[in-house]
Amino acid sequence: QKEVEQDPGPLSVPEGAIVSLNCTYSNSAFQYFMWYRQYSRKGPELLMYTYSSGNKEDGRFTAQVDKSSKYISLFIRDSQPSDSATYLCAMSSFILTGGGNKLTFGTGTQLKVEL
Amino acid sequence: GAGVSQSPSNKVTEKGKDVELRCDPISGHTALYWYRQSLGQGLEFLIYFQGNSAPDKSGLPSDRFSAERTGGSVSTLTIQRTQQEDSAVYLCASSAGPGQGAYEQYFGPGTRLTVT
Repeated sequence: QKEVEQDPGPLSVPEGAIVSLNCTYSNSAFQYFMWYRQYSRKGPELLMYTYSSGNKEDGRFTAQVDKSSKYISLFIRDSQPSDSATYLCAMSSFILTGGGNKLTFGTGTQLKVEL
Repeated sequence: GAGVSQSPSNKVTEKGKDVELRCDPISGHTALYWYRQSLGQGLEFLIYFQGNSAPDKSGLPSDRFSAERTGGSVSTLTIQRTQQEDSAVYLCASSAGPGQGAYEQYFGPGTRLTVT
């Protein structure tokens, strides 16, 4: 079983819809929870990151973390065709030597927002 | 400011040849990471640099893979005697290093490696 599970989709929604993307994880050592957006043949782009359980909002995006259930979500309001991309959840674990943070990614959910 | 840059953007090589992939991190970022993204495995951690040191090499899949970083900036990932299973997109990310901003990793566009 993978440490991070994410439904690969594809997910197709009409413009203006609310999109819900989700990941579950099994490693309690994960500290920070991120969402990345990746357009075709581009590198992942950091959208949001959160630390504690609860909600964090940034414009049309809301990230939600429930550490007790080991479940994170990303909500996109008023979705636009430009939101069509692959969304990757990622979770950081601390690298004891050197102070870095290793990211473990979900497989990504492919989203298409249609006109 | 300038983001993370990687070169080449695409590389096609024959099985058994060596390849070098380059990463230029964001200026001032002391932490640098290499990841690999392949169809079957998703995005996987390879190696972490803090300055010129590599405290965590746990993700390197075999001893054919090595990486170095010089001057606390540019990093090179080298794959020797390439195999077809090495075909993937190799991504570099950088962050501000220990302390504030350490969790925000910014990725480059990647190098798409195809081994024929």
